[in-house]
Amino acid sequence: GQQLNQSPQSMFIQEGEDVSMNCTSSSIFNTWLWYKQDPGEGPVLLIALYKAGELTSNGRLTAQFGITRKDSFLNISASIPSDVGIYFCAGFMNYGGSQGNLIFGKGTKLSVKP
Amino acid sequence: DTGVSQNPRHKITKRGQNVTFRCDPISEHNRLYWYRQTLGQGPEFLTYFQNEAQLEKSRLLSDRFSAERPKGSFSTLEIQRTEQGDSAMYLCASSWDGQPQETQYFGPGTRLLVL
Repeated sequence: GQQLNQSPQSMFIQEGEDVSMNCTSSSIFNTWLWYKQDPGEGPVLLIALYKAGELTSNGRLTAQFGITRKDSFLNISASIPSDVGIYFCAGFMNYGGSQGNLIFGKGTKLSVKP
Repeated sequence: DTGVSQNPRHKITKRGQNVTFRCDPISEHNRLYWYRQTLGQGPEFLTYFQNEAQLEKSRLLSDRFSAERPKGSFSTLEIQRTEQGDSAMYLCASSWDGQPQETQYFGPGTRLLVL
């Protein structure tokens, strides 16, 4: 089945640092989304990207939809402690007889440097 | 709070028992989705409703799983004869057709542990 490769799997941040993570796929998607999930909670939508090449910001978060439609990245600038959590990329495409559903990566876990 | 709500938040059951989870979507959201998430993985799609019609089911949704949305509002997900492999977080999401279908808002999930 379709898979999204998300990297890095985990990273440690120090407050104030910028953070980058990305997501690649062997398949083309029409939409890329980025979610954040805190322990014991459901994913929260951060940014949705609808067009190849699109660059969108949401506060300190910036995400881009790759031109090939097979990748996306998320940047977090000037990280703060509450940025800790797991970040998921998700791709969406209607295909074949499917109404379309989200395909998620395995997540990037952001932790605070000890 | 007008977000997606799910009940119960946690469920512990013995293998072979039946369990039922409930999801209340955001008001006026006509689309509702169920996902399953195991430890260290992203959510995996199970099934999708538009109003009361179940339009799509994943191969992950075995015969022991059934989902309903009888009045096009809340939904239930039932697992019959639970197995240890069913232990996971079950997530519900909703969206409405005034927005792109992929803009889905998730509930807090129901964490199931099968002993």
